[in-house]
Amino acid sequence: GENVEQHPSTLSVQEGDSAVIKCTYSDSASNYFPWYKQELGKRPQLIIDIRSNVGEKKDQRIAVTLNKTAKHFSLHITETQPEDSAVYFCAAKEGKLIFGQGTELSVKP
Amino acid sequence: AAGVIQSPRHLIKEKRETATLKCYPIPRHDTVYWYQQGPGQDPQFLISFYEKMQSDKGSIPDRFSAQQFSDYHSELNMSSLELGDSALYFCASSLGHRVGTEAFFGQGTRLTVV
Repeated sequence: GENVEQHPSTLSVQEGDSAVIKCTYSDSASNYFPWYKQELGKRPQLIIDIRSNVGEKKDQRIAVTLNKTAKHFSLHITETQPEDSAVYFCAAKEGKLIFGQGTELSVKP
Repeated sequence: AAGVIQSPRHLIKEKRETATLKCYPIPRHDTVYWYQQGPGQDPQFLISFYEKMQSDKGSIPDRFSAQQFSDYHSELNMSSLELGDSALYFCASSLGHRVGTEAFFGQGTRLTVV
């Protein structure tokens, strides 16, 4: 079935550094790739998304890249801040939304 | 703006009991998704509905059933509850199904089975 692999599972960076999270997907029909930030016990919050006809998208400190040929996409956070600490999920959608395993990002002051 | 509404927010049930979770999508959204998220895990897709018909089925146990009603709200019915069913249950809605549209999540229902 459809599968989304996400790495790393944990990531610790110093405040101000960059963080990169990578995902691969299996269903070539996937056409929408959102990234969610989730705090403990809360709902997933969309932080950025990219559609299959676009290779890169940026929103302030956050950027996402998509390589449809290789079926992988990445999240880049620059100038990280302690409030960026959370669990981040990638997802791929073709009909249903399939999530990656999550990355626990810790930004140390 | 109206968001996805889930009720109840918290639910405590005993083993072998039944539970019904409700989801009210954003107005005009025609697609509803249900997810189960255990502690420290990613949201697992259970089932989805588009225009009141089941559109996709994931890892939903046979003890669970769901439907989408004429007003587009959805209910997840869970029977013979087990301790392992304790989790956060999220509902999400979107406009359109097999297109690249954003799914909006409700605040979730925390189910505890004791």
